[in-house]
Amino acid sequence: DAGVIQSPRHEVTEMGQEVTLRCKPISGHNSLFWYRQTMMRGLELLIYFNNNVPIDDSGMPEDRFSAKMPNASFSTLKIQPSEPRDSAVYFCASRVTEQETQYFGPGTRLLVL
Amino acid sequence: GENVEQHPSTLSVQEGDSAVIKCTYSDSASNYFPWYKQELGKRPQLIIDIRSNVGEKKDQRIAVTLNKTAKHFSLHITETQPEDSAVYFCAPRDQAGTALIFGKGTTLSVSS
Repeated sequence: DAGVIQSPRHEVTEMGQEVTLRCKPISGHNSLFWYRQTMMRGLELLIYFNNNVPIDDSGMPEDRFSAKMPNASFSTLKIQPSEPRDSAVYFCASRVTEQETQYFGPGTRLLVL
Repeated sequence: GENVEQHPSTLSVQEGDSAVIKCTYSDSASNYFPWYKQELGKRPQLIIDIRSNVGEKKDQRIAVTLNKTAKHFSLHITETQPEDSAVYFCAPRDQAGTALIFGKGTTLSVSS
C-alpha cells in the first residue's frame, strides 16, 4: 500500500502566482481531507470530500483557494493568486468513511515569496 | 462546531518519567477520540484512539482515558524515552462522516 501521495513535496513560488497541490488518496478510501499547518494556527481543516463531493468547505480561507476532486483517486487544492501568508505545510488525508482511522500524506511545504 | 483545547502546550520531562496530556472538547455528540503524534518534519500519525463506549485503552507504554461526563480525554505515556519527543494532537470527532478537528498540539520534550 503506497499510502496517501502528495505532490509536489516542496514548492517555492512568487506572490501572485498560481499554485496547484495534488493528492492521491489510499485506494478504496472514499473520504478525503485537506489541512493546512502553520506555527501560529496549528493544523486547520480546509475542506473535505465524501465520495468526491465537497461536504464542508467552511475552512477555506478565501476565494483565492479552491479544491476539486474529479474522481476517487485524485484531488487538487489551488491557490490563485498566492500570497506570502499562504506559506505553510499542506496535508492531504484519507480514510474509509465508515471507519475512524485517518491517514495523512507526507505534506507539501509551500513557500510564497 | 467543535471547540478543542489541549493542556499543557509544552511539557518537558526526564527520561523514564511519565507524561500526561489533557484534551477538552465541547461537542457532547463526540464519540471518537484519537491521539496523533507528529515528529519534526513528518506527517501526523495515529498512535492510539478510543471510542465513547470505553473508558480506558492501553497499548504498551501509552494509554488513553476518557471522561465523557466532563468532556475530556487524556494521553498517558509511561517510562518516556527520547524518541517520544514530538508534538501530540488530540482530534475528537462526532460521527463517522465528519472530519477530525485537531487541538493546537502539545510539544513533549524528553531529555536523557
